[in-house]
Amino acid sequence: SQELEQSPQSLIVQEGKNLTINCTSSKTLYGLYWYKQKYGEGLIFLMMLQKGGEEKSHEKITAKLDEKKQQSSLHITASQPSHAGIYLCGADMRGNTPLVFGKGTRLSVIA
Amino acid sequence: NAGVTQTPKFRILKIGQSMTLQCTQDMNHNYMYWYRQDPGMGLKLIYYSVGAGITDKGEVPNGYNVSRSTTEDFPLRLELAAPSQTSVYFCASSYQGIGEKLFFGSGTQLSVL
Repeated sequence: SQELEQSPQSLIVQEGKNLTINCTSSKTLYGLYWYKQKYGEGLIFLMMLQKGGEEKSHEKITAKLDEKKQQSSLHITASQPSHAGIYLCGADMRGNTPLVFGKGTRLSVIA
Repeated sequence: NAGVTQTPKFRILKIGQSMTLQCTQDMNHNYMYWYRQDPGMGLKLIYYSVGAGITDKGEVPNGYNVSRSTTEDFPLRLELAAPSQTSVYFCASSYQGIGEKLFFGSGTQLSVL
């Protein structure tokens, strides 16, 4: 079974609309990381969350980690074509262990 | 600063051939990793290293070997390539610890035919 579940698997939104991507675990996470991957390229770090209830924002992207540290959401406000790509969440599942990744969410933004 | 550099970017292998995927980083990171990414499957950890001379298996190590003779380099060796090894391979490094922020290379797209 997948340790980190991401939803939705894919998303098509109209430019200017808001959207949310979720990342869920059945276990408490020691650290949660969001990455973005442009098609055919490497992964770019977006944000890191470590404390329960933590929320971080960068430009139009906001990431939150719930109080139990089992679920994170990534929210994009007023989406733009530049937001298109694959969003992956990665987490330290057991403390001081290599990151485990979700399957990713493929985002398309249409005019 | 180049960061994490992977070579080659693309490669086609015949079944049974061998090759080495190169990875080097210039950030003096102790921790290095190899992941593979299959379509719709996220990233799976192949091997990782916590420092020169120390390597450990990840989730999917079969068919691969690694070595870490220097802090900078972490090559991944494929022996007897199989179609199941067709994938995109990412090398990554981290500075502060194992479960910390990863810096990724741009990937190697490998096809085994």
